[in-house]
Amino acid sequence: EVHLLQSGGGLVQPGGSLRLSCAASGFIFRDYAMSWVRQAPGKGLEWVSAITGTGNTAFYADSVKGRFTVSKGISQNTLFLQMDSLRAEDTAMYYCVKDDSVTTSHNWLDPWGQGTLVTVSS
Amino acid sequence: DIQMTQSPSSLSTSLGDRVVITCRASQSISIYLNWYQQRPGKAPRLLIYDASTLQSGVPSRFSGSGSGTDFTLTISGLQAEDFATYYCQQSYSTPPTFGGGSKVEI
Repeated sequence: EVHLLQSGGGLVQPGGSLRLSCAASGFIFRDYAMSWVRQAPGKGLEWVSAITGTGNTAFYADSVKGRFTVSKGISQNTLFLQMDSLRAEDTAMYYCVKDDSVTTSHNWLDPWGQGTLVTVSS
Repeated sequence: DIQMTQSPSSLSTSLGDRVVITCRASQSISIYLNWYQQRPGKAPRLLIYDASTLQSGVPSRFSGSGSGTDFTLTISGLQAEDFATYYCQQSYSTPPTFGGGSKVEI
């Protein structure tokens, strides 16, 4: 059974940094792309970033490009999201999600991690 | 970016009702349309992928149809556990984009 266990959220001041982690199990990690999706309080879903199975190629939403970095620790079976220069509008529940193939094209997202809350506030 | 528009944004229903939610893309996305269910306080869950394929473990009362720009999610015989918010998502191009959600409530 696929399982995604997230950690690393919390309260951070504007301009600060935070790193989210997502420990994966139950599948061959390098064979699947992974994504991050966020949800601001009371709002809908927003795709943030995706990375290919091997970790060689990453994609970002315009809203986080240049501030967030996604990476894969293949040997640790762990997905990371390094978030720098955080803004109030980055406040959201962040979900780690498994894609259905090694690339990031034409994918569906399943399953989803439990989510981790990031709050950016002074 | 491809814009996804869902309707209705919310609907009041009753147990046993048939519910239809529509999703429209701002350009053709072939069949690359997925549906998710999100119960309050929970992570989203995949229901249907590629417009009409039911994900393993999802009850058969859920069905999806459509191609190009217009898609529908149908719930035939609403059960108590189906009261939730439903999102469509296009996977035709990057960035993948979601509809605004449709909240199904009593």
